[in-house]
Amino acid sequence: AQSVTQLGSHVSVSEGALVLLRCNYSSSVPPYLFWYVQYPNQGLQLLLKYTSAATLVKGINGFEAEFKKSETSFHLTKPSAHMSDAAEYFCAVTKTSYDKVIFGPGTSLSVIP
Amino acid sequence: GAGVSQTPSNKVTEKGKYVELRCDPISGHTALYWYRQSLGQGPEFLIYFQGTGAADDSGLPNDRFFAVRPEGSVSTLKIQRTERGDSAVYLCASSVGTTTSTDTQYFGPGTRLTVL
Repeated sequence: AQSVTQLGSHVSVSEGALVLLRCNYSSSVPPYLFWYVQYPNQGLQLLLKYTSAATLVKGINGFEAEFKKSETSFHLTKPSAHMSDAAEYFCAVTKTSYDKVIFGPGTSLSVIP
Repeated sequence: GAGVSQTPSNKVTEKGKYVELRCDPISGHTALYWYRQSLGQGPEFLIYFQGTGAADDSGLPNDRFFAVRPEGSVSTLKIQRTERGDSAVYLCASSVGTTTSTDTQYFGPGTRLTVL
């Protein structure tokens, strides 16, 4: 069975500081991995997706994530936080591109001015 | 272009009542998914349609929950004899439905269901 854990239900960073949101997964097959963002009162939006091509994946709004098979991790980073990055972030995994997506519990990111 | 839309955006009902939640996928998307998101948690898979048929309904919690997609486009999630524990945001997503790695699920804004 596939699962996702996200360390830290809430992360606070100062504006301009590095953002690091942690995600670890378990999967019996090579996975597809995702990061989704959910802004207040909005739907889930795909930030980036790993599909077994390049291990460093670049997404929208300056975010990127690195797939590390040896660590079963897919941490999300952004060099410099912006106030508009405050949102809920979900890491997710699936077996194939069209399979159900298994979501982690989410990490709420706050950005302090 | 238009994204995934869901109606109503909010639904308040009483325990024991029947509710229907509607999802309009992106035009041309053959795959459609329903998820449920409880407060403070990540979305939880309910059911997946490929065209008109349910390809995977393993996430439906019990037989009070049912979903249809009769023409392969709009889908309706139906909940009978609602319980307070059914209160959540119900999310719909759609994708092109191919087997390529580029297939991506696009989510609607959700329907917030409150059972009193």
